Amino acid sequence: EDKVVQSPLSLVVHEGDTVTLNCSYEVTNFRSLLWYKQEKKAPTFLFMLTSSGIEKKSGRLSSILDKKELFSILNITATQTGDSAIYLCAVVDRGSTLGRLYFGRGTQLTVWP
Amino acid sequence: EPEVTQTPSHQVTQMGQEVILRCVPISNHLYFYWYRQILGQKVEFLVSFYNNEISEKSEIFDDQFSVERPDGSNFTLKIRSTKLEDSAMYFCAGHGQGQKLFFGSGTQLSVL
Repeated sequence: EDKVVQSPLSLVVHEGDTVTLNCSYEVTNFRSLLWYKQEKKAPTFLFMLTSSGIEKKSGRLSSILDKKELFSILNITATQTGDSAIYLCAVVDRGSTLGRLYFGRGTQLTVWP
Repeated sequence: EPEVTQTPSHQVTQMGQEVILRCVPISNHLYFYWYRQILGQKVEFLVSFYNNEISEKSEIFDDQFSVERPDGSNFTLKIRSTKLEDSAMYFCAGHGQGQKLFFGSGTQLSVL
């Protein structure tokens, strides 16, 4: 049973478009939600969210968490071809060790020039 | 930025053989993990390691798997008798006191 569900599974856009990636989760005792970008191999860290309603921002990327509705979104504005990657959402349960992440299946984003 | 280093990047082995995957974590990290990703599937937790012992493991991490940190720097994952279904990308990861998990570049294991 999936604890983390991401949508859409894949997305194709043109450079300059804005995209919104979704992540819903279900864990017994939520600690945090993390977003990673996976290009060829290792997932690279984007954001960690622990509090509802506080937007995290890094350049053209931003993310927000809704702990009441149990979801998070990742926004990318003015997309570039270098944004093409798999975007992974993961959650941490307070009952587990800090780095024990439950991952979703990811959203494959393709940005065409 | 410091990196988690994994070797080899690609390992091919015959079914039934033992493999050891190696990782050099970031020097000030205290908590270490192994994850795997079967092609086309999600990243899955295998095991966490702290203070020279396993702190948590998943149901995937059965008796065929073991981990150790023999010399205080390298962190290894051993699979005693590989099966076809062990073919996957294996990621080492670690963190310090914070939760930001750093992943290595992975070892692609192919079991023939």
